[in-house]
Parts: sequence; C-alpha cells; structure tokens
Amino acid sequence: NAGVMQNPRHLVRRRGQEARLRCSPMKGHSHVYWYRQLPEEGLKFMVYLQKENIIDESGMPKERFSAEFPKEGPSILRIQQVVRGDSAAYFCASSPPDSSRPQHFGDGTRLSIL
Amino acid sequence: KQEVTQIPAALSVPEGENLVLNCSFTDSAIYNLQWFRQDPGKGLTSLLLIQSSQREQTSGRLNASLDKSSGRSTLYIAASQPGDSATYLCAVRTHNTDKLIFGTGTRLQVFP
Repeated sequence: NAGVMQNPRHLVRRRGQEARLRCSPMKGHSHVYWYRQLPEEGLKFMVYLQKENIIDESGMPKERFSAEFPKEGPSILRIQQVVRGDSAAYFCASSPPDSSRPQHFGDGTRLSIL
Repeated sequence: KQEVTQIPAALSVPEGENLVLNCSFTDSAIYNLQWFRQDPGKGLTSLLLIQSSQREQTSGRLNASLDKSSGRSTLYIAASQPGDSATYLCAVRTHNTDKLIFGTGTRLQVFP
C-alpha cells in the first residue's frame, strides 16, 4: 500500500510565477490536509479537504493561495504570483474517514523562490 | 487558542541511554495526540497515536504517555541508538477540528 505521494519533491520558481504542488493520498483515504513548514519554524496547518469540498481553510493565506481535491486525481495546492516568503516545505497528509485514525504524511515539496 | 510546546528543543546523548521528551499543550480538550519523527529533508513518520481516553501507547522501544488534565505528554525512548537521531514532533488534535497543531520539536542526537 503506497504512502502519501507528493510531487514534485523540489520546485524552483521565480518571483511572480505560479507554483502547483500535488498530493495523492493513501489508498482508502478521503481526507487531505496541507501543512507548511517555514525555515526554522514548526509545521502550521493550512487547509483540510475532502473530495470536492474544502472543510477548513483557516490556515490558508487569504490571497494567492488556493487548494482543491477533485473527484478524480490528486489534491492540488496552488500558489499564484509567488514571493520569497513562500519558500518553505509543504507537506500533505491524509487520513481515512474515521477521525480517530492517525494522519500519514508525504515527504513534502520543497519550494524555493528565486 | 491551543498552543503546543516541546522541551527540550535539542538533546544530545550517548548511545544506550533512556530518555524522555516532553510535550505540553494549553487546552486539555483534545481528541488525540500524535508523536512523529522527522529526518532532515524528509517527511514525518507517525510513531504513536494516543486517544484522549488512553493513558499510554507502546511500540517497540517507544512509550508515549498522556495526562490530559495537566496538558502533558511524554515520549520515552529506551536504549537509544544512533539511528534514533532525528527531530521528534508532537501534535494535538482538538475536538472541534481535524487539523493537527504541532509543537516546534525536539532535535535529538544520539552519538556512538
């Protein structure tokens, strides 16, 4: 059973470009979470999605950031017009519908902004 | 607002020592608490999950305890090995949300 798959592992963008980060949850998991880890800081929650629905986006910046989890395909975290401060490791986690089960994390996408 | 703190921030010990990592949280109304390990440049590996109704969980040389009323959890590592070197993170989930709130971690180094 494959784990949570994130791609790309590393992504380099210039200021003003768009970044798209992908996450495929574990088989049987319908809940997806995105977290961000800024340099020398802890992980911070960004958004929680179920298939085709955003459940909680309280940690998402109001501008430039969006997330989706379509009926078919991976979850996408999209950052428009990237700035240097967006440089971070972005982690995706997934869990089954049973909320007592643990969240399992992918290896992350390291985003660097030039 | 839930805040999670981990002490110490860093720890360096010789191989073979038993050690304790601490995690404290400000709001005792948690749903569960999860301990993770993070290796440099890698993702998080889930180690143990303790439900709010449980007092402890064990996996191999790892034992995690939970005292919800005092807002504390400890991760006990027995007979530490160099391969245990990593950053250890605790995270809590509160009743009204599915998101995890993380501590800033304890960076552990076990030297031969």
